[in-house]
Amino acid sequence: GAVVSQHPSRVICKSGTSVKIECRSLDFQATTMFWYRQFPKQSLMLMATSNEGSKATYEQGVEKDKFLINHASLTLSTLTVTSAHPEDSSFYICSATRQGPSAQHFGDGTRLSIL
Amino acid sequence: QQQVKQSPQSLIVQKGGISIINCAYENTAFDYFPWYQQFPGKGPALLIAIRPDVSEKKEGRFTISFNKSAKQFSLHIMDSQPGDSATYFCAASPGGADGLTFGKGTHLIIQP
Repeated sequence: GAVVSQHPSRVICKSGTSVKIECRSLDFQATTMFWYRQFPKQSLMLMATSNEGSKATYEQGVEKDKFLINHASLTLSTLTVTSAHPEDSSFYICSATRQGPSAQHFGDGTRLSIL
Repeated sequence: QQQVKQSPQSLIVQKGGISIINCAYENTAFDYFPWYQQFPGKGPALLIAIRPDVSEKKEGRFTISFNKSAKQFSLHIMDSQPGDSATYFCAASPGGADGLTFGKGTHLIIQP
């Protein structure tokens, strides 16, 4: 099956710190990766779509300078939360899909806590 | 504006019973409808998905029923087991290669 690995699983850091989250597709080439945000006991909200070698497409209301996305290879996308503040605390989840219409496979998420 | 409405918010079913979760969508451009299962602290896992060209799809104990004219789709879990206790999300996208719009989720509890 398709396996997506996300690292780290949990981050606790001070306000003002920048945090990088990695998303890797382990057994397939992911032409597209997505980043979602999930607040406690709530739904997943799409933040951005990342295509390998291209600039990410951000959803309305998501600050692209705050949430930097890089998709440098077909197996790796990174999300950097810059100068994180307590309101950025959330569960960040990535997903990956193969070329063309296909299922999205999710990582296990990163719990980000900003003190 | 919520584009995918999911109900109920929570559901309690006896072991062996049928769990039914419903979703309705507004965007007629949606043509891919997956269901995901999520356990606490984990990412969503794909259960089953359907496209509008069929009205029903079954995989093991999981069945999706799809009503294109009503813009509704539902998940049926047959012979529900305690291990099925989780949060279930319906989702939709204009195509399988696009980002997903999720429903708000259903917290399912299967009582032994």
